[in-house]
Amino acid sequence: DFQMTQSPSSLSASVGDRVTITCRASQTIFSYLNWYQQKPGKAPKLLIYHASSLQSGVPSRFSGSGSGTAFTLTISSLRPEDFAIYYCQQSYSTLRTFGQGTKVEVK
Amino acid sequence: QVQLVQSGAEVKKPGSAVKVSCRASGGTFTNNVINWVRQAPGQGLEWIGNIIPIFDTANYAQKFQGRVTITADESTSTAYMELSSLRSEDTALYYCARETRAETYFDYWGQGTLVTVSS
Repeated sequence: DFQMTQSPSSLSASVGDRVTITCRASQTIFSYLNWYQQKPGKAPKLLIYHASSLQSGVPSRFSGSGSGTAFTLTISSLRPEDFAIYYCQQSYSTLRTFGQGTKVEVK
Repeated sequence: QVQLVQSGAEVKKPGSAVKVSCRASGGTFTNNVINWVRQAPGQGLEWIGNIIPIFDTANYAQKFQGRVTITADESTSTAYMELSSLRSEDTALYYCARETRAETYFDYWGQGTLVTVSS
């Protein structure tokens, strides 16, 4: 199995902060890495696909980078609506896997 | 616009089975890969498996092998996930999510089906 490890598990930030979340794969997944945002009581929402491509309709303050085994999701200037849980997910292996999630909380 | 509509909440006894459906509308069903993901209360997302309807082939996470069966009915554009030998730890919100055969990301999600396992 391809294990996905996110860090940190949670972080506290303020509106306007730059936020970075890291995701590491147990073996190379090239650029087959996606990021999702989940708010309470809602289904996850796709933010970034193929490591760095912004999904249609997603604000440009979200960006993704990385390849191989190390990836990052960056929110350039945190907005109130960005407090949520973020998950990475690999789609290189037929057997998809998610990271454990990173909760972005109000400082 | 693609829409995935799942069946309603279920309450099951330990040891029984549950079958959840996911009906797709919009787009071409045979171009889809339908994934199943679950989320236990207060926990993260866990991938269960998927099916490629046009090939009628399913893939399962090792954790669920032997206990889960994912099927699809092209005539009704509906995918099904059946989980057997239920235990309390299977209490979770079960989501279906679509990939296309061309793009490997989950761009549309169902609303979720709550499965509660309780004696």
